[in-house]
Amino acid sequence: ETGVTQTPRHLVMGMTNKKSLKCEQHLGHNAMYWYKQSAKKPLELMFVYNFKEQTENNSVPSRFSPECPNSSHLFLHLHTLQPEDSALYLCASSQDKVAGTEKLFFGSGTQLSVL
Amino acid sequence: RKEVEQDPGPFNVPEGATVAFNCTYSNSASQSFFWYRQDCRKEPKLLMSVYSSGNEDGRFTAQLNRASQYISLLIRDSKLSDSATYLCVVNNHGDSSASKIIFGSGTRLSIRP
Repeated sequence: ETGVTQTPRHLVMGMTNKKSLKCEQHLGHNAMYWYKQSAKKPLELMFVYNFKEQTENNSVPSRFSPECPNSSHLFLHLHTLQPEDSALYLCASSQDKVAGTEKLFFGSGTQLSVL
Repeated sequence: RKEVEQDPGPFNVPEGATVAFNCTYSNSASQSFFWYRQDCRKEPKLLMSVYSSGNEDGRFTAQLNRASQYISLLIRDSKLSDSATYLCVVNNHGDSSASKIIFGSGTRLSIRP
């Protein structure tokens, strides 16, 4: 069983749809992250949760709404997205956020296409 | 200037060759450094941390030069399976340390038979 599991692997949605991405980690970590990876761009941090509390929102548009019900699960709710939101969305976890424990373990990602 | 800069490549080298690439960072207060590897259409995976004294893991050697603000990755006796994109990652820490994890755009490496 992989440490960080993301579903779905692929998602195609229209601009008026509402969908959710799910992430689950089985590593006993306390911090979880959402990253966006667009073609030929570096990974962009979107949100950070530490012990279920959101500690970082990197100026992400409100059409992306994260939810972290517990330290093992993370969701990204999507609504009224734009075509430029098409990208690979990666979930990651780390033991914690402090120095020495911030090594990231990534899920396989959700490849999102917005039509 | 980008916070973390890498030569995008691609580096195209024959199997068995030694290849090295650098990554420069702009924040002199950066504290933690890593190399991640990302295969095509896959997620990034931690390759190795980079320590001040330099560190080696098999065929891979990572070094940090704080004075010049760069880190390097050396791959000896390259294998076909080393073909991937190598991501330089810098953590500047701070009050909200996770938000200071900065990824480079990656260097593409292609090993040919």
